[in-house]
Amino acid sequence: EVVLTQSPGTLSLSPGERATLSCRASQSVRTSYLAWYQQKPGQSPRLLMFGTSNRATGIPDRFSGSGSGTDFTLTISRLEPEDSAVYYCQQYDDSSWTFGQGTKVEIK
Amino acid sequence: EVQFLESGGGLVQPGGFLRLSCVTSEVTFSSFAMSWVRQAPGKGLEWVSTIRSSAGATFYSDSVKGRFTISRDNSKNTLFLQMDSLRTEDTAVYYCARSLPFHRHFDYWGQGTRLTVSS
Repeated sequence: EVVLTQSPGTLSLSPGERATLSCRASQSVRTSYLAWYQQKPGQSPRLLMFGTSNRATGIPDRFSGSGSGTDFTLTISRLEPEDSAVYYCQQYDDSSWTFGQGTKVEIK
Repeated sequence: EVQFLESGGGLVQPGGFLRLSCVTSEVTFSSFAMSWVRQAPGKGLEWVSTIRSSAGATFYSDSVKGRFTISRDNSKNTLFLQMDSLRTEDTAVYYCARSLPFHRHFDYWGQGTRLTVSS
């Protein structure tokens, strides 16, 4: 099973700042099988990025994804108050799906 | 807008059983793989099980293999999760989620149904 480790656990930034979220895999992950989700309190997860760098429908372009192999990054270029949420990375390999433990983004 | 509606959650004693359902109005339901993902209270997301589209191949996490059974009725646009031999650690909100053909991410999620396993 591929283990995904996200860092930092919590990110506290001001509106307009840049957020960089890391997702590290225990073994190489195909870029086409790496996704990111946003979950706000009391809500279901929402797909942000798929295939490492493709934004899902309706996701603003301040969100971007990059990476390959075992290291992947979600960047929020200019934080807005509504970006306060927990962000999860997710991968697929060998008929098994796994999620990272999440990074909480707090807006000061 | 794509919508999924889960139901069937509740309070069950350890060792008990329950069946969850997830229904959609999507007429192309049979084209998509469907999954169950759960979230224990205050915890992160955990993949539980996936069923491929019409062919019906199924996959399970090690934590539920042998106890849970995923199935679907494409004629009723409904996904199921039969949960047997329930344990306290199965307590969670259970989400159903869709995957497009040839994709391995979840593009639409239901609102979730809560399962509590407790004596």
